[in-house]
Amino acid sequence: GENVEQHPSTLSVQEGDSAVIKCTYSDSASNYFPWYKQELGKGPQLIIDIRSNVGEKKDQRIAVTLNKTAKHFSLHITETQPEDSAVYFCAAPINTDKLIFGTGTRLQVFP
Amino acid sequence: DTGVSQDPRHKITKRGQNVTFRCDPISEHNRLYWYRQTLGQGPEFLTYFQNEAQLEKSRLLSDRFSAERPKGSFSTLEIQRTEQGDSAMYLCASSFGAGGNYGYTFGSGTRLTVV
Repeated sequence: GENVEQHPSTLSVQEGDSAVIKCTYSDSASNYFPWYKQELGKGPQLIIDIRSNVGEKKDQRIAVTLNKTAKHFSLHITETQPEDSAVYFCAAPINTDKLIFGTGTRLQVFP
Repeated sequence: DTGVSQDPRHKITKRGQNVTFRCDPISEHNRLYWYRQTLGQGPEFLTYFQNEAQLEKSRLLSDRFSAERPKGSFSTLEIQRTEQGDSAMYLCASSFGAGGNYGYTFGSGTRLTVV
């Protein structure tokens, strides 16, 4: 079945540095790839997504890249700030009906 | 719209008791999803509805679990004869159209602790 692998599981960076989180998926038919941010005690919040007809999408300090041939996509956060500290999840669709999630990356940004 | 609401936020129950959680989705959203999340893991799919029809249930959803969405609006998730292994965060999400095409809006979850 569909599988999404995410790494690293934890990531620590200094404020102002960049952070990169990578995911791979198994279903070559997948065409929508969202990223969610989950803060303590809250539900996951959609922060950015990308469709398979583009290779990169940016939104201020956040960007997502997609390599359909290699079946992987990445989240890039530049100029990290302490408020970026959270758990980040990638996801990929199963038959367009629902999403399967990665295991998460705990990002810590130190001042 | 206030987003997806879940109630209660926290529930502590004794093993063997029944519990029921409620989810109110975004009003325009026709799809509603239930996920379970354990510590250090990503959300795991349990079941989803399109309007009032329950279209799919995961194998994770044992016979002790039942979900309803009687009028295509709010949904309830009931766990009967709770076990310690049921302790988790139960997340509800909704989407306008197929969640695999448009993504979800999640609620804040209900944290269940079975003692």
